[in-house]
Amino acid sequence: QITLKESGPTLVKPTQTLTLTCTFSGFSLTTYGVGVGWIRQPPGKALEWLGVIFWHDEQRYNPSLKNRVTITKDTSKNQVVLTVYNVGPADTATYYCAHREHYKRALDFWGQGTLVTVSS
Amino acid sequence: QSALTQPPSASGSPGQSVTISCSGTSSDVGDYDFVSWYQQHPGKAPKLIISEVDKRPSGVPARFSASKSGNTASLTVTGLQADDEADYYCTSYAGSKQDVVFGGGTKLTVL
Repeated sequence: QITLKESGPTLVKPTQTLTLTCTFSGFSLTTYGVGVGWIRQPPGKALEWLGVIFWHDEQRYNPSLKNRVTITKDTSKNQVVLTVYNVGPADTATYYCAHREHYKRALDFWGQGTLVTVSS
Repeated sequence: QSALTQPPSASGSPGQSVTISCSGTSSDVGDYDFVSWYQQHPGKAPKLIISEVDKRPSGVPARFSASKSGNTASLTVTGLQADDEADYYCTSYAGSKQDVVFGGGTKLTVL
């Protein structure tokens, strides 16, 4: 059974760095083809793709984020970390991590999400 | 602005059918058979209901079907039920640089 859960601060000040952790179980991020993606959703708005990290450490990002986002993994802890630099009010959102299935190119299991507010 | 274009809203009465479109380009929807659809109820995480254009994961009712023609994908819900009222998002694989592009979502209302 695959599960994922996001954790991190609920409130971040503008210009600071946001770090969120996705802790997962039921799969290994050392298995060929496996990836973990990050998606966010501002209140009342659409889902936005942030990026993904794969089993072999390749990362792919949404170009619109202009290098403000990095994704790393710690396979020994079954964790993936999302870092968003120089946050602003537009980064206020619910952040989700999801298991990215290789052969379907789909996000087949999602975490419950965590709401992060950017405010001074 | 989302990479894939969906109508902001759709509606139908219980028992009826409704189709939601998802328009992309020859670099995403038109180039790969990796279109997915997600259902999101208010306050909940999205749930995968269609992958690889038209494949339903285990447990997803057959009332949900999907297809693709050229640069446009479509999701059809037949026999609408009250619980189908939700937001629906399409995604497409877009190559090894970005991986995935999302649609802007469609709010389905069951009248």
